Amino acid sequence: GESVGLHLPTLSVQEGDNSIINCAYSNSASDYFIWYKQESGKGPQFIIDIRSNMDKRQGQRVTVLLNKTVKHLSLQIAATQPGDSAVYFCAANYGQNFVFGPGTRLSVLP
Amino acid sequence: DTAVSQTPKYLVTQMGNDKSIKCEQNLGHDTMYWYKQDSKKFLKIMFSYNNKELIINETVPNRFSPKSPDKAHLNLHINSLELGDSAVYFCASSAYRGRDEKLFFGSGTQLSVL
Repeated sequence: GESVGLHLPTLSVQEGDNSIINCAYSNSASDYFIWYKQESGKGPQFIIDIRSNMDKRQGQRVTVLLNKTVKHLSLQIAATQPGDSAVYFCAANYGQNFVFGPGTRLSVLP
Repeated sequence: DTAVSQTPKYLVTQMGNDKSIKCEQNLGHDTMYWYKQDSKKFLKIMFSYNNKELIINETVPNRFSPKSPDKAHLNLHINSLELGDSAVYFCASSAYRGRDEKLFFGSGTQLSVL
């Protein structure tokens, strides 16, 4: 079956440092990718997306990089803040569905 | 106003009972979903409806039955609840059939089967 995986299940960073969360996907037909943030007790919230005709997209303090050759994408968070502590998911479209990765828990240390 | 709302937030029940979770979206989307999130935070699609028509039905026990009375609502009914059904269930919606359009999630229903 299709899968979307993350290289690191947990990530701890110092406040103010940059964070990088990685994701690998398996379906080469996927052409739309999304990063979600899930805080405790809440549903996943959209952060940023990217289509396969791009290799980089920037938002406010976040950047998504896509490498289609190795089927890898990453989420970079600049100047990580305590409010960034959450579980982050990547998702790739697969037919009429989205396949989610297992999630990376980001902990921001004071 | 909440875009995707689901009730109840918490549901504690005994094995063998039947329960329902309700979901409503006010975004005007035509596609709605149910996802299950297990204790390890893994999110998996269960069902998807487009304009009240079932389009995705993953390998889910037939004790789970989705019902979409209109395109703004997608309810989930579960018969004969089992311990393994304990999880967080998320409703979501999108503007298209899940392709090239992001999902908007509800806040989840934490189901605990005792």
